[in-house]
Amino acid sequence: KAGVTQTPRYLIKTRGQQVTLSCSPISGHRSVSWYQQTPGQGLQFLFEYFSETQRNKGNFPGRFSGRQFSNSRSEMNVSTLELGDSALYLCASSRDYNQPQHFGDGTRLSIL
Amino acid sequence: QQPVQSPQAVILREGEDAVINCSSSKALYSVHWYRQKHGEAPVFLMILLKGGEQKGHEKISASFNEKKQQSSLYLTASQLSYSGTYFCGTVIQGAQKLVFGQGTRLTINP
Repeated sequence: KAGVTQTPRYLIKTRGQQVTLSCSPISGHRSVSWYQQTPGQGLQFLFEYFSETQRNKGNFPGRFSGRQFSNSRSEMNVSTLELGDSALYLCASSRDYNQPQHFGDGTRLSIL
Repeated sequence: QQPVQSPQAVILREGEDAVINCSSSKALYSVHWYRQKHGEAPVFLMILLKGGEQKGHEKISASFNEKKQQSSLYLTASQLSYSGTYFCGTVIQGAQKLVFGQGTRLTINP
């Protein structure tokens, strides 16, 4: 069974640009969550989508947005990039929020 | 809402035992445990639900104290492969959101 796929694996952007990250969940999983991981900060929750609806949102500015398509694939968009946005962005899929989360390998975003 | 993990880091010799704690200021519905090895994605270990306890692995178990809103992860006779960062995630009662702690780095030396 295929795992969670995140693309691209690496991205280099400059301040002010915008970026879109993609996540393909495990087949049958309707919940997709996004996390930002930086050294010493753990896994910071961005948002969670379930059946194309954003069900929960973390404490991130409005520059961070997402969406989920009818096939459960999800995208995350960050606009007006700042140096502090440099991080590993992880996507996790599950049958629901209280079920085991299956993580992708992440997209490492570097802002110059 | 973020759970607090302790200790932040621990170094052991192979064969020693370890305990990692996770506490919340809110009433919990469930606690999740994950392990992340360096350069890899976090991997699910187990879920503990309110009113129950679930063991995910033979030498790795966990408890859930509902009165104290705390969970502890026990690693018995640690092996080199146990090294990594352990995260607890909590779901607060009434909230449909899994929030992770800051992680505990576990290093096992030969």
